[in-house]
Amino acid sequence: DVKVTQSSRYLVKRTGEKVFLECVQDMDHENMFWYRQDPGLGLRLIYFSYDVKMKEKGDIPEGYSVSREKKERFSLILESASTNQTSMYLCASTGPDNYNEQFFGPGTRLTVL
Amino acid sequence: TQLLEQSPQFLSIQEGENLTVYCNSSSVFSSLQWYRQEPGEGPVLLVTVVTGGEVKKLKRLTFQFGDARKDSSLHITAAQPGDTGLYLCAGDSGNTPLVFGKGTRLSVIA
Repeated sequence: DVKVTQSSRYLVKRTGEKVFLECVQDMDHENMFWYRQDPGLGLRLIYFSYDVKMKEKGDIPEGYSVSREKKERFSLILESASTNQTSMYLCASTGPDNYNEQFFGPGTRLTVL
Repeated sequence: TQLLEQSPQFLSIQEGENLTVYCNSSSVFSSLQWYRQEPGEGPVLLVTVVTGGEVKKLKRLTFQFGDARKDSSLHITAAQPGDTGLYLCAGDSGNTPLVFGKGTRLSVIA
């Protein structure tokens, strides 16, 4: 089974801090995604990557950046955390041959105070 | 912009009842997926439907893809408390990331 792990389940940070959210998948998937999930707004795509060192903006990239130095790892960076970035962050990966079916990590619930 | 509308947004039913949730769009998708998300966890894939008119069954869950591949439904027979969760549909157009609906939050009361 594909396993997608995220570095923290819960995280509390202060406004202005730099925040790193790490995601690792163990199935050699090419594609990785970062979403945030908020009540009433659903899943919103922040960034995605189809290969190492490649990144594409999703629907809401402002205030975020990403890094993909290795195929299995995709990091989401909040350069200067703000309270409106309090959310559930979900990482997902998908391989090339399965209708873009996504395997999600357990999520990181980030609170910015 | 492709959109997937899910209805209802919220559903609370008694154990043993049947229910149907819907996923509609004006866009055509090459495939459509259904996920279930339990509180505090990430979504888990339930099924992918690919062919217009396709029906797939997963125990008490029946998934149907519309003939025109623009909509889908999920029917649960004899709901159980373990079915409680957020049900998400997602459409794949082939060349872009998945488009997700906002979900139907189901609560099954024992």
